[in-house]
Amino acid sequence: TQLLEQSPQFLSIQEGENLTVYCNSSSVFSSLQWYRQEPGEGPVLLVTVVTGGEVKKLKRLTFQFGDARKDSSLHITAAQPGDTGLYLCADPDNTDKLIFGTGTRLQVFP
Amino acid sequence: GAGVSQSPSNKVTEKGKDVELRCDPISGHTALYWYRQSLGQGLEFLIYFQGNSAPDKSGLPSDRFSAERTGGSVSTLTIQRTQQEDSAVYLCASSLAAGANSPLHFGNGTRLTVT
Repeated sequence: TQLLEQSPQFLSIQEGENLTVYCNSSSVFSSLQWYRQEPGEGPVLLVTVVTGGEVKKLKRLTFQFGDARKDSSLHITAAQPGDTGLYLCADPDNTDKLIFGTGTRLQVFP
Repeated sequence: GAGVSQSPSNKVTEKGKDVELRCDPISGHTALYWYRQSLGQGLEFLIYFQGNSAPDKSGLPSDRFSAERTGGSVSTLTIQRTQQEDSAVYLCASSLAAGANSPLHFGNGTRLTVT
């Protein structure tokens, strides 16, 4: 079974700082999705990366897929309190269900 | 139309009682998923439906857990003889079809507390 490890587990920063969170796999990803979950809500899809080495940008968020497709990173520039939430990576395994990572809980203080 | 709707939003029950959780997916979505999220943790897969059939029940923690889907739409997750370790947020998601090319749309979950 695919194991997705995310790091760090928790991150508390001040508004304006930059940060990077990581998602690592025990085997090669078929593709990778990043979700953000705010308190009291379900996760919302941010991006899907498919090709090794791929970089996608979503405003202040930059997603990178490792060349070997075994890792991915999410970089946030000039974090804002609205970025607070649980960031989850997820990989669809070969049986059509999403396997989620352990998550990184981000708190951005004003 | 509306997003995925789950009810109740909160449920407190006594140990040993049965509970039923409901999920209304987005209209037209053929795939439906149930996940469990313990406090502050990631999501644990429970079961998914393609139409009314469940190709993968591998995540159900015990035989006290069951789920059904009728008419290719509403799904119910039933937990019999609840235990304290069943306390968690139960999330439902739907997608146009099963597979990596169809993103999941989640409801806001049912927070279950077993006392």
